[in-house]
Amino acid sequence: GEDVEQSLFLSVREGDSSVINCTYTDSSSTYLYWYKQEPGAGLQLLTYIFSNMDMKQDQRLTVLLNKKDKHLSLRIADTQTGDSAIYFCAELNYGGATNKLIFGTGTLLAVQP
Amino acid sequence: SQTIHQWPATLVQPVGSPLSLECTVEGTSNPNLYWYRQAAGRGLQLLFYSVGIGQISSEVPQNLSASRPQDRQFILSSKKLLLSDSGFYLCAWKSSGANVLTFGAGSRLTVL
Repeated sequence: GEDVEQSLFLSVREGDSSVINCTYTDSSSTYLYWYKQEPGAGLQLLTYIFSNMDMKQDQRLTVLLNKKDKHLSLRIADTQTGDSAIYFCAELNYGGATNKLIFGTGTLLAVQP
Repeated sequence: SQTIHQWPATLVQPVGSPLSLECTVEGTSNPNLYWYRQAAGRGLQLLFYSVGIGQISSEVPQNLSASRPQDRQFILSSKKLLLSDSGFYLCAWKSSGANVLTFGAGSRLTVL
């Protein structure tokens, strides 16, 4: 079955690094994603990683993938108050007529000034 | 460029009333379309998806239904709303060969 789990809440101080963790169960997932949701808004794709990669860096964002442990993390360097949002991890699932994204519960990141 | 629209943005409905949420995509053809629900304190749950006109797949049994009357239109409906239908409903699309979903701004439904 498919299941994606995240911790519900993370609080950091402005300027510190944030690390948001995610575990997934579908070992056949080829793509894993991080989406950001600001209050009252839809989801915005932040980044995604292909399963043959261990790491992907994009400016302040670093994604680490441990395929053996089925663990994905998102590190935000120099966290700003504007980074306060809910962060969703998702895996690509190939079941059914089309590819589907299965999302975790989301991690609320609170950045303290 | 492609854009996705959802409406209404906010809806307050009494228990037992009908529901219709609409989603349209512009700038593409034959998109894969999805309805997700985000309940308070919970993650995103996939409700329905569609790979073409009139083709609807349901992920979970529930009080809701979906329809795709036109290529770029996806509608979420209910004949009689329940309190538990309250939540934030998100429409999303992708090209049939792509692996990245693009989301609409969402529709917040409160059932009283």
